[in-house]
Amino acid sequence: AQSVTQLGSHVSVSEGALVLLRCNYSSSVPPYLFWYVQYPNQGLQLLLKYTTGATLVKGINGFEAEFKKSETSFHLTKPSAHMSDAAEYFCAVSDGNTGGFKTIFGAGTRLFVKA
Amino acid sequence: DGGITQSPKYLFRKEGQNVTLSCEQNLNHDAMYWYRQDPGQGLRLIYYSQIVNDFQKGDIAEGYSVSREKKESFPLTVTSAQKNPTAFYLCASSIEGQGYNEQFFGPGTRLTVL
Repeated sequence: AQSVTQLGSHVSVSEGALVLLRCNYSSSVPPYLFWYVQYPNQGLQLLLKYTTGATLVKGINGFEAEFKKSETSFHLTKPSAHMSDAAEYFCAVSDGNTGGFKTIFGAGTRLFVKA
Repeated sequence: DGGITQSPKYLFRKEGQNVTLSCEQNLNHDAMYWYRQDPGQGLRLIYYSQIVNDFQKGDIAEGYSVSREKKESFPLTVTSAQKNPTAFYLCASSIEGQGYNEQFFGPGTRLTVL
């Protein structure tokens, strides 16, 4: 069975500092991996996704993530945090066997950005 | 603009009442989903539908019902059988129900039981 673990329910960084949000997954088949962002009282918006090919994936708003199969990780990074990055971030995994309706979401990491 | 709309944004229900949450999409997507979001628990799948007139239970379907009579619409009914319905409900859609397709989300409906 697939699962997703996001390390740290809350992460706090200073404006301009590196953002690192951790995600580890388990999957018995090659996974499809996603990061979504959610602003307060809104729906989720896709930041980036990995399906196949290049393991370093670039997304919107300067975020990127690297798929590391050996570490079963898909950590999200951004070189310099901005106040507007404050939101909740969800890592998700699905696979080709069970389809999109079996997308598993992590519990989320809330990012705080200090001025 | 294409997207997903959910209504109402806030909904208050008395115990014992059924309520229906609306979800409409104009993205021409085949697959649609309903999730429930509780603090610290991520998203949990209630129901999903891959085509019109067909839908399947997700992980927490008890106390909920859906219909898919039109491609664009996937309403969710929260019945009185749902013991703890207070939550944030999210509707989503994807081009198909394939694992590599990202999901597009509506703005959500916050349901509170009084």
